[in-house]
Amino acid sequence: SAVISQKPSRDICQRGTSLTIQCQVDSQVTMMFWYRQQPGQSLTLIATANQGSEATYESGFVIDKFPISRPNLTFSTLTVSNMSPEDSSIYLCSVEAGPMNTEAFFGQGTRLTVV
Amino acid sequence: QKEVEQDPGPLSVPEGAIVSLNCTYSNSAFQYFMWYRQYSRKGPELLMYTYSSGNKEDGRFTAQVDKSSKYISLFIRDSQPSDSATYLCAMRAHDDYKLSFGAGTTVTVRA
Repeated sequence: SAVISQKPSRDICQRGTSLTIQCQVDSQVTMMFWYRQQPGQSLTLIATANQGSEATYESGFVIDKFPISRPNLTFSTLTVSNMSPEDSSIYLCSVEAGPMNTEAFFGQGTRLTVV
Repeated sequence: QKEVEQDPGPLSVPEGAIVSLNCTYSNSAFQYFMWYRQYSRKGPELLMYTYSSGNKEDGRFTAQVDKSSKYISLFIRDSQPSDSATYLCAMRAHDDYKLSFGAGTTVTVRA
């Protein structure tokens, strides 16, 4: 398994500002994933972050709005930029681990409220 | 049509009952199947992981995969109030790192 620490656990932010979410894993992993979970909804993949390369964004998500850093094999950040109330959501970091690297593990999430 | 269908419930059962959850899917390439438990205000916790078809048991939890019917199930025996949570199914193909999630089923176990 993998232990993922995510910070902050929650925050309330003013519209127009930015928030950077940190994700730390207890082992080296090739890919790290960022998800969004809107209230009452399932998980939507925002982007995939590989160390040493640009993140790959899913349809509907852009780098200017959600810049991602991946400076090493155990750490990543997601920034939510120029926030609006529609960005209020839970943001989750995930990695693959397990014997075949096919099991997905999640951090505890960052609950963001934009006012 | 969604790639993964999961009844959102809610599902309410008395303590000690068997909880039965299921998902259907349309992509025959899916090979890896997972069930997650998510408590309120927490991240998803991996409960069960199954590769291809078959059954897997872990304590009170049993996961079943029927690839011919594109149908997966999770059974919780002797349910406890602490099992009250949202349960999400997820799956992926062998050569694709992307997970497809169900909508999640909210379960309440009444004491």
